[in-house]
Amino acid sequence: GAVVSQHPSWVICKSGTSVKIECRSLDFQATTMFWYRQFPKQSLMLMATSNEGSKATYEQGVEKDKFLINHASLTLSTLTVTSAHPEDSSFYICSARDRSGRLYYNEQFFGPGTRLTVL
Amino acid sequence: QQQVKQSPQSLIVQKGGISIINCAYENTAFDYFPWYQQFPGKGPALLIAIRPDVSEKKEGRFTISFNKSAKQFSLHIMDSQPGDSATYFCAATTGGGNKLTFGTGTQLKVEL
Repeated sequence: GAVVSQHPSWVICKSGTSVKIECRSLDFQATTMFWYRQFPKQSLMLMATSNEGSKATYEQGVEKDKFLINHASLTLSTLTVTSAHPEDSSFYICSARDRSGRLYYNEQFFGPGTRLTVL
Repeated sequence: QQQVKQSPQSLIVQKGGISIINCAYENTAFDYFPWYQQFPGKGPALLIAIRPDVSEKKEGRFTISFNKSAKQFSLHIMDSQPGDSATYFCAATTGGGNKLTFGTGTQLKVEL
C-alpha cells in the first residue's frame, strides 16, 4: 500500500513551453500533497503544499504564477511549469499524505520523481 | 531554527561494517523524525522513523538513536551491504505532519 505515481518520469521541452506533471496516490486518499524540487546532489526543497479543493500554499521564493498547482481530487495533484526555461531543469518530486492516518503517523509517501530538462 | 543539520556529507563503509549518520535540530516543536533512503533517479523512500518519546527504535538492520536533550538523532546501519549504497536524508516535522524539513543528505557507499 501507500503507492504514489508520477507522470511523466522524464520530459524534455523547449524553452518557453509549459509542462504538466501529474502526481497520483494509487491506493489511498491524500488530503495533502507536496511538491519538491531537487537539484543534483542536493536535498529536497519544498515548493508548495496543496490541499484538495483549495489553493496551494507556496514556499517563500517560489513563483506561484510559474509553478501552477492544482489538487482537483483526493488522488490527483498536478504541477504545471509555465514558460519553462533552462534554469527550471530539475528533478521534481511529489509526496502525498494519507487522509485516514491509518498508515504511518502523518507520513508522506513519495513519488518516483520527474526529470525535467528544458532546452 | 527550522534547519536540520546532517553529517557526514559522504561516507564509505566496508561490507559488514556499521554506517552511522548524524542529524541535529534546533526546533523543539519537531515531534517526528523520519529517515529516507534515495537511489539515483528515484524518489525518497521511508526507511524508519521515531518520535521523541523513545530513545531508540530498531527495524532489522536499521536503528535510530534519539537524544532529546541534545536535540540529536542518528541512523545506524548494521552489517552494511553494497545494496545499501544510496543517499540518506534525515527529516523532521511538527505535529500534524505538515512540512518536512530535510537534512542535507549523506551519500553512502558500501564497498566489498
